Amino acid sequence: AQTVTQSQPEMSVQEAETVTLSCTYDTSESDYYLFWYKQPPSRQMILVIRQEAYKQQNATENRFSVNFQKAAKSFSLKISDSQLGDAAMYFCAYRSERTGFNTDKLIFGTGTRLQVFP
Amino acid sequence: KAGVTQTPRYLIKTRGQQVTLSCSPISGHRSVSWYQQTPGQGLQFLFEYFSETQRNKGNFPGRFSGRQFSNSRSEMNVSTLELGDSALYLCASSKGLREDSGANVLTFGAGSRLTVL
Repeated sequence: AQTVTQSQPEMSVQEAETVTLSCTYDTSESDYYLFWYKQPPSRQMILVIRQEAYKQQNATENRFSVNFQKAAKSFSLKISDSQLGDAAMYFCAYRSERTGFNTDKLIFGTGTRLQVFP
Repeated sequence: KAGVTQTPRYLIKTRGQQVTLSCSPISGHRSVSWYQQTPGQGLQFLFEYFSETQRNKGNFPGRFSGRQFSNSRSEMNVSTLELGDSALYLCASSKGLREDSGANVLTFGAGSRLTVL
């Protein structure tokens, strides 16, 4: 069974600084997607960034980028130029992309609460 | 375009009662999946439906059930409520099939907050 681990329950960063959130996962599959979701106090989950396992190039979305280390099964999120609006819970998630098996099932980590200080 | 709509947003029930939660997906989305979020267990997958068929199921007791209608709207039902069923129930929708260009992206609703007394 696949598992996702986020070892940092809480992180804090100063506005305009950079912060990195960690995520490790365990799987025996070769095809999968990894995601970072943000859950602000409104509780609505918002997709931040996604990474396909077969792509070596790290995904980037504006101020958000990932460091994907497939061999180490590590998938960290870097937030550059942090803004007050980045304060939220961040969840790392895994989804299987096994051939012939269509599913939207996400396996989530326990989350990291990010505080942003002015 | 309209997002994923979940109703009701908040509800309070007592032990032993049953509850039905509704999820209207984004227009054109054929897949709906459900998640339970609690402080103790985190986010856990309940089940997913695609074209009115349950495609995958999480590890929850039979008191948790769901269905999907021909218009892709989905409902989940919890019977004989227990205190531990108090949670935020999140619904997410997607097109349902992998596209050639990449992942099927999930869009989440705002959730239904269930409190069991």
